Amino acid sequence: EVVLTQSPGTLSLSPGERATLSCRASQSVNTYLAWYHQKPGQAPRLLIYGASDRATGIPDRFSGSGSGTDFTLTISRLEPEDFGMFYCQQYGGSPRTFGQGTKVEVK
Amino acid sequence: QVQLQESGPGLVKPSETLSLTCTVSGASISSYHWSWIRQTPGKGLEWIGYIYNIDHSSNSGSTEYNPSLRSRATISIDTSKSQFSLQLASVTAADTAMYYCARDRASTRFDFWGQGTLVAVSS
Repeated sequence: EVVLTQSPGTLSLSPGERATLSCRASQSVNTYLAWYHQKPGQAPRLLIYGASDRATGIPDRFSGSGSGTDFTLTISRLEPEDFGMFYCQQYGGSPRTFGQGTKVEVK
Repeated sequence: QVQLQESGPGLVKPSETLSLTCTVSGASISSYHWSWIRQTPGKGLEWIGYIYNIDHSSNSGSTEYNPSLRSRATISIDTSKSQFSLQLASVTAADTAMYYCARDRASTRFDFWGQGTLVAVSS
């Protein structure tokens, strides 16, 4: 199965700062990659799919890039509601798998 | 707005079968694929399986599962109630998790999720 490795494990930033999260796949998944945001006590919420397409209702401060094995999620200016866990998920291989997550916390 | 709601026992005994139901509103259950996903502090998010190619007339669909579950999982559907279900047999403590149901966009991403239901396996 495709293993997704996210880095860093934790990102400590202040509101208004730029966040850059990485997801690396153990084998190529083309652009078949999604990103999710999860707040404590809530289900994950789809942010990005197809590596760079924003899901419905997702603000344009969220952007995704990459293909093959290396992917990036960028949050241009962190808003207070953006803190929490972020997960990548691939659908280029079977079974579909998730990364272990990056925690974005308030500095 | 699409909404999903999981329901089922919060406690299951070891070696027994875990049974959960997801009720869908705001979308035609016959028109989409539907998945079960679980989350644990140790293993993170794990896709369990999904049901697709749903036939309203026969109340059935095709299914695919994560091989890691070693054929213990079964997903079924009841289109008349707009529900789909998960059964996980021979559970152990390792199956203790938050279980989510989600709308599955054609074997790709999961665009709507239920709030999740916590299931503990303990005697």
